Amino acid sequence: DTEVTQTPKHLVMGMTNKKSLKCEQHMGHRAMYWYKQKAKKPPELMFVYSYEKLSINESVPSRFSPECPNSSLLNLHLHALQPEDSALYLCASSQGRADEQYFGPGTRLTVT
Amino acid sequence: GESVGLHLPTLSVQEGDNSIINCAYSNSASDYFIWYKQESGKGPQFIIDIRSNMDKRQGQRVTVLLNKTVKHLSLQIAATQPGDSAVYFCAENGRDSSYKLIFGSGTRLLVRP
Repeated sequence: DTEVTQTPKHLVMGMTNKKSLKCEQHMGHRAMYWYKQKAKKPPELMFVYSYEKLSINESVPSRFSPECPNSSLLNLHLHALQPEDSALYLCASSQGRADEQYFGPGTRLTVT
Repeated sequence: GESVGLHLPTLSVQEGDNSIINCAYSNSASDYFIWYKQESGKGPQFIIDIRSNMDKRQGQRVTVLLNKTVKHLSLQIAATQPGDSAVYFCAENGRDSSYKLIFGSGTRLLVRP
C-alpha cells in the first residue's frame, strides 16, 4: 500500500470555526509532513514530524496546530483562520531523510 | 537564499516528441533531487529521483540527468503522451540534507495532439 489518504477532500470554514484535517499512511514511514500550496505555486513546507516528534516548524502561525497521534496518523488543527489561508493542504510521508515523499491528494480549504 | 529554479514556465510539445524540462539549483551541498508531476486538483506524484553520487537515472520513459558542475537537473520524457500534460516540479533537499524539500517554481507541460 503506497497511498497517503487525506480527509476531507474539501472544507469550507468561517474565520471563527475550529476544524481538523486528517492524514493517514500505512507504509511504515517514520516521517510525515504538512505542506500548503497556493494556486500555480509549488508546495510550501509547514511542519515535519519524525518518529512522532515535531522536527521542523517553518514559522507557521499558531492558528495552525499539528498533531501526530501515532506513526500512521497526522492531524492539522485549524482555528481562527484568515481568508488568505485558503489553499490546498497536502500531507506527505517518507521513510526518512533524502527519501521519496509520497503525497496525498490534498484537502482544498476555503476560509470565508 | 537557497532556491531551485526552472528556465521555462510553460513547455508545449507535439505528442510523440521527446520533452526536456530543466531545473537549476543553487545549493551545491544538496545530495538528493526529485521530480514530481502534478495534475490539476491532485497531489504531486513521484516521477523519479537521483542522488548526488549519480549523473543519470532512467525510469519508464523518463530520464533524470544531474550535472553537479553547473548545478543543473533535467527531466527527459520520451514519446510524450497527452497524459503527460501536467505541472512538473523539481526539488532538492538543501544544505543540511534535512527532511525539507526545496521546490522549484514548476513548469507546465502541454502536449499537443
